[in-house]
Amino acid sequence: KNEVEQSPQNLTAQEGEFITINCSYSVGISALHWLQQHPGGGIVSLFMLSSGKKKHGRLIATINIQEKHSSLHITASHPRDSAVYICAEGSGGGADGLTFGKGTHLIIQP
Amino acid sequence: KAGVTQTPRYLIKTRGQQVTLSCSPISGHRSVSWYQQTPGQGLQFLFEYFSETQRNKGNFPGRFSGRQFSNSRSEMNVSTLELGDSALYLCASRDGWDEQFFGPGTRLTVL
Repeated sequence: KNEVEQSPQNLTAQEGEFITINCSYSVGISALHWLQQHPGGGIVSLFMLSSGKKKHGRLIATINIQEKHSSLHITASHPRDSAVYICAEGSGGGADGLTFGKGTHLIIQP
Repeated sequence: KAGVTQTPRYLIKTRGQQVTLSCSPISGHRSVSWYQQTPGQGLQFLFEYFSETQRNKGNFPGRFSGRQFSNSRSEMNVSTLELGDSALYLCASRDGWDEQFFGPGTRLTVL
């Protein structure tokens, strides 16, 4: 079973800073997901990627298949970005559903 | 399109009781997955249904079960509740193998 490790567990930064959250996994995957969870529990899917890089607004996700590593970057961070960011791997066949990392608790201070 | 809806949003039960949670997927999505989130274990996969058939199952005891109806709505049932079943239960729907869309969750408290 794949192991998904995230770092850091907690991150506090000032508004405007460039943020990087890392995710590594132990075996090959076909899709890596980045999710955002705000207080109250709702989860939003930010990215699903299997290679290269994706960008949406101030968010950028990259994946290196050879190194089994993915990063989520937030440019010009804002207090509304404060949330828990979770990476998850899900094989295309979905044999075990998604396997989740423990999450990174991000706080952006004004 | 309306998003994924879950009912009820909050639920309090006592040990030994059983509970049924409901999930309505986004219109047109035939796959529904269920997840459990606890402070200790984080998010864990329960099961996935596709076209009324359970396609995958996570590592949970048989007390956890589910089903999917012809309109893709899904229910999950937990029998003989234990204190450790207190959690946020999330469902997510998707179209094919695309990204998943999560519902707001049902927060279950077992006393």
